[in-house]
Amino acid sequence: NAGVTQTPKFQVLKTGQSMTLQCAQDMNHNSMYWYRQDPGMGLRLIYYSASEGTTDKGEVPNGYNVSRLNKREFSLRLESAAPSQTSVYFCASSERFQSGLKAREQYFGPGTRLTVT
Amino acid sequence: KNQVEQSPQSLIILEGKNCTLQCNYTVSPFSNLRWYKQDTGRGPVSLTIMTFSENTKSNGRYTATLDADTKQSSLHITASQLSDSASYICVVSAAPPNSGYSTLTFGKGTMLLVSP
Repeated sequence: NAGVTQTPKFQVLKTGQSMTLQCAQDMNHNSMYWYRQDPGMGLRLIYYSASEGTTDKGEVPNGYNVSRLNKREFSLRLESAAPSQTSVYFCASSERFQSGLKAREQYFGPGTRLTVT
Repeated sequence: KNQVEQSPQSLIILEGKNCTLQCNYTVSPFSNLRWYKQDTGRGPVSLTIMTFSENTKSNGRYTATLDADTKQSSLHITASQLSDSASYICVVSAAPPNSGYSTLTFGKGTMLLVSP
């Protein structure tokens, strides 16, 4: 199993350009997440998808859109990139959270390092 | 606002020595606490998960403790190895009753360097 894969690994964009970050998981997980990690800060949730067909905003959704293409794939789109979106982006997946049951482990991908100039 | 504070911010120890990393949190309603290891340039990898009723959990040379009363956790690394050099992130999960979802609050991490 590859686990969680992300493409591309690195990307440089000019302000105003658009791009899509791809994420796929082969663990048959229901839930998927997009985070960003900035220097001196903890990971922050951008968007998540609790199950196929649903998406919800996280802590920092402005400037991003997501698509849960199918159970395996969850993409993150920057429509008009800004320098403030320079960051490392992580995708993660887990079994669907259910109250009262065992905590669901989140598995992270290797990250995409994005620079917006 | 849910918060997770970690200390120290960074730490250098000699190979073979032990160390303890600290985590204090104000997260409600508490569901579980996780410790992750993040190597440079890689995604976080889970070390332990503890729920309210668990006060200690081990994973090899890593032992996590949880005091839910004082809202503190520690991660103890025994007989450190060069490969332990990484950022260690404390993550606390909150789960509103009957909501069907949980949220994670991440600490900023403690950067550990194990020196030969």
